[in-house]
Amino acid sequence: QKEVEQNSGPLSVPEGAIASLNCTYSDRGSQSFFWYRQYSGKSPELIMSIYSNGDKEDGRFTAQLNKASQYVSLLIRDSQPSDSATYLCAVTGGSSNTGKLIFGQGTTLQVKP
Amino acid sequence: SAVISQKPSRDICQRGTSLTIQCQVDSQVTMMFWYRQQPGQSLTLIATANQGSEATYESGFVIDKFPISRPNLTFSTLTVSNLSPEDSSIYLCSVQQGLYGYTFGSGTRLTVV
Repeated sequence: QKEVEQNSGPLSVPEGAIASLNCTYSDRGSQSFFWYRQYSGKSPELIMSIYSNGDKEDGRFTAQLNKASQYVSLLIRDSQPSDSATYLCAVTGGSSNTGKLIFGQGTTLQVKP
Repeated sequence: SAVISQKPSRDICQRGTSLTIQCQVDSQVTMMFWYRQQPGQSLTLIATANQGSEATYESGFVIDKFPISRPNLTFSTLTVSNLSPEDSSIYLCSVQQGLYGYTFGSGTRLTVV
């Protein structure tokens, strides 16, 4: 079982729709959760971090964390073509607590005009 | 958040040679992380570099192939040795930034011919 799992996609949504990206993780001791956006040929860019159960909103982005289900999600409202990218879920603070950040395989999002 | 300067941005190397990648951070950090991103794949952690101690390597990565130096709290190098075409990837360094999550360098695109 992979430590962090995402559906690789591609996930295709029309412009203006809500894009929903999901991630599960295996280490129940994980403490910090991140969503990164990566455009082709660029390095990952942090868009959301979440540390406690519930929702966290920042502009058009909402991160949701459910530690009991070991599940993290990212909602993108009013999706724009510029949101087309690969979204990487990343987790740290697991049982070994070494501070290392472990990534899922990423979900490719395509927003169609 | 920290600013990371990573060099070179890209290189084309012959089989059997080595490439050394440098990362300079504009603030002192305890841990630096080195990742590999193979074509079309997500980020895989190579090793964690702490100042004043040996790097900690992830499963599948060995010091002879990926020697790392960490001479001070703002600088680290990763060498990819005895290059083969399978080493063609993007290599990224990263630092942990507390509430800012993890910041990445701009990456080094390595092509082995």
